[in-house]
Formats: sequence, structure tokens, C-alpha cells
Amino acid sequence: GAVVSQHPSWVICKSGTSVKIECRSLDFQATTMFWYRQFPKQSLMLMATSNEGSKATYEQGVEKDKFLINHASLTLSTLTVTSAHPEDSSFYICSARDIQGGYGYTFGSGTRLTVV
Amino acid sequence: DAKTTQPTSMDCAEGRAANLPCNHSTISGNEYVYWYRQIHSQGPQYIIHGLKNNETNEMASLIITEDRKSSTLILPHATLRDTAVYYCIVRDRNNAGNMLTFGGGTRLMVKP
Repeated sequence: GAVVSQHPSWVICKSGTSVKIECRSLDFQATTMFWYRQFPKQSLMLMATSNEGSKATYEQGVEKDKFLINHASLTLSTLTVTSAHPEDSSFYICSARDIQGGYGYTFGSGTRLTVV
Repeated sequence: DAKTTQPTSMDCAEGRAANLPCNHSTISGNEYVYWYRQIHSQGPQYIIHGLKNNETNEMASLIITEDRKSSTLILPHATLRDTAVYYCIVRDRNNAGNMLTFGGGTRLMVKP
């Protein structure tokens, strides 16, 4: 089946620094990937849609200059949290869909970001 | 995509069937019902999906009412490892570019 690999699984960073999270589709190509954020005891909230070779589409209220998304290839999308602050601490999850393989949406294992 | 309504939480005894309901009264004709679950601190996992007919796979069964306004996910023999948040999502499967929108889900607690 379709597999999405997300790395790192957890990261602790100092306030003011930047953190990059990678999302890879391992056995399929994904022209579109999705980035979600999940706070404790809450549901997943879509942050942005990552489009291969073009700009990402951000949801209302999500700062595009703070959450930089790069989708340079058909198998890799990255999310960079710039100038991280404690309120950015959250669980970040990516997702992709193997359309040609007929599979549904596949999710990465998530990245737990803690900003101290 | 149509909105769904699920109970906030449910308990189930280990070894018994877990029946998780979902209301989607505004579903349209080309929208599918998807079920995902999220075990603590992991990404969501696909369980099953269906359009009109009941579906079964190795994980679960999906029962969709004839008017398609509601559905039930059935875990036939729940185990402790089935403790998770279960999300019912309705969307147009043919709309390839669109994301999945998650509601609150049902927190299922399987107890010994």
C-alpha cells in the first residue's frame, strides 16, 4: 500500500529558531500533499495544501511567511516553521493521496514539535 | 463536503463488537463515507470507505443506511489496541485535489 514517511518524529527547539519537517511519499508520486496541525485533545486542522512545482495554498489564519512549504519533487514536501515560538508547539501531520494506485489518503506518523 | 456528527466518546468491552455511529444527513449522491482512526500520538489510519452498499474488510464493517444519511462502523471483536479516536468523513472521492476535513471524531475506549 501507499506509504508516507514523515521525519523527524519529534523535535525540541529553542524559541526563535527554525525547524524543518519532511514528508515523503515512498512508493508513489504525489502532486499534492496536505499539512495538518493538531493541538492536544483537538482534531486535525488543515494548515495548507502543498502543490508540486507551485506555491502552496494556505488556510485562513495560517501565516505563509511563518510556515514555509516547499514541494520541489513529486515525492517530497517540506514544512519549515520559522522563528518558532512556544505557541507553535503542536503535532504536525502530513498526508498524500496515491491517486493512480487507487488508495485513499495516507498519513505520515506525525511530528511532535516542542518549542522551549 | 457534507458535515458529519459523531458522539464524543464511547466505551466498549474487550472482545465485544464496537458500533460507532455517524450522521451525515446532508450527504450528496457522489459523496463517499470514509472512516479513519487515530491512535494516540500517531497519524490517522485508513479503515474503510463506502458509497451505498455495506462494506467489509479485515479491519471493520461499514453499514450505510438506505437513505445514506447515516452509517455505522463496526469493529466485530474490539481489542485494547482499538482504543483510538475514530473519524467519519464524507467527501467526493472523485475530487482528487481536495483534502480531508476532520470533525471531532469519537473517542473509543476499549476496556478489559
